[in-house]
Amino acid sequence: KAGVTQTPRYLIKTRGQQVTLSCSPISGHRSVSWYQQTPGQGLQFLFEYFSETQRNKGNFPGRFSGRQFSNSRSEMNVSTLELGDSALYLCASSLGGARETQYFGPGTRLLVL
Amino acid sequence: GENVEQHPSTLSVQEGDSAVIKCTYSDSASNYFPWYKQELGKGPQLIIDIRSNVGEKKDQRIAVTLNKTAKHFSLHITETQPEDSAVYFCAATEGGSSNTGKLIFGQGTTLQVKP
Repeated sequence: KAGVTQTPRYLIKTRGQQVTLSCSPISGHRSVSWYQQTPGQGLQFLFEYFSETQRNKGNFPGRFSGRQFSNSRSEMNVSTLELGDSALYLCASSLGGARETQYFGPGTRLLVL
Repeated sequence: GENVEQHPSTLSVQEGDSAVIKCTYSDSASNYFPWYKQELGKGPQLIIDIRSNVGEKKDQRIAVTLNKTAKHFSLHITETQPEDSAVYFCAATEGGSSNTGKLIFGQGTTLQVKP
């Protein structure tokens, strides 16, 4: 079975721009969660989507948004980029239950200049 | 909300020795505790997990123990090998009635295994 895939793998943007990241979950998985990883803050939960609905949201500003499509693929969008948004963005997929194993993708490395 | 503390932040051992990483959590309703290994340039990879109805789980050289009363869980790696060198993260799900997969991560432990 193919793993979680994320595109693009690397991205360079400038302040004020917006960016869209994509995540394709493992086949059959209905839940996709997004995390931001930085050296200072570690791994922080952004949001989770299940069956096209946002099921949970972390403590990030409204500039961070996401969505999930009927095939469970998910996108996250960051508008009006700030320097502090530079990070590794990871998505994880699972079958959907609260104690289900989550499998992470390789991440998208975003650099904001 | 849930808070997870992880210690130590760095750990250096000789090949063949054991390594232990400890985590504490704050939410007594948390019921799922995975451990992830992250190598440079890669996403976290699940190495073992434990659910709150089990006190210990073992998979070859890796074991995890859970003490619900004290709200802590630990990762034990025996007979360490150089390829075990990586950053290890513990995590806990938010407890209560919420049926979501939100994971709260510890700060990570950089494990170095010296040949």
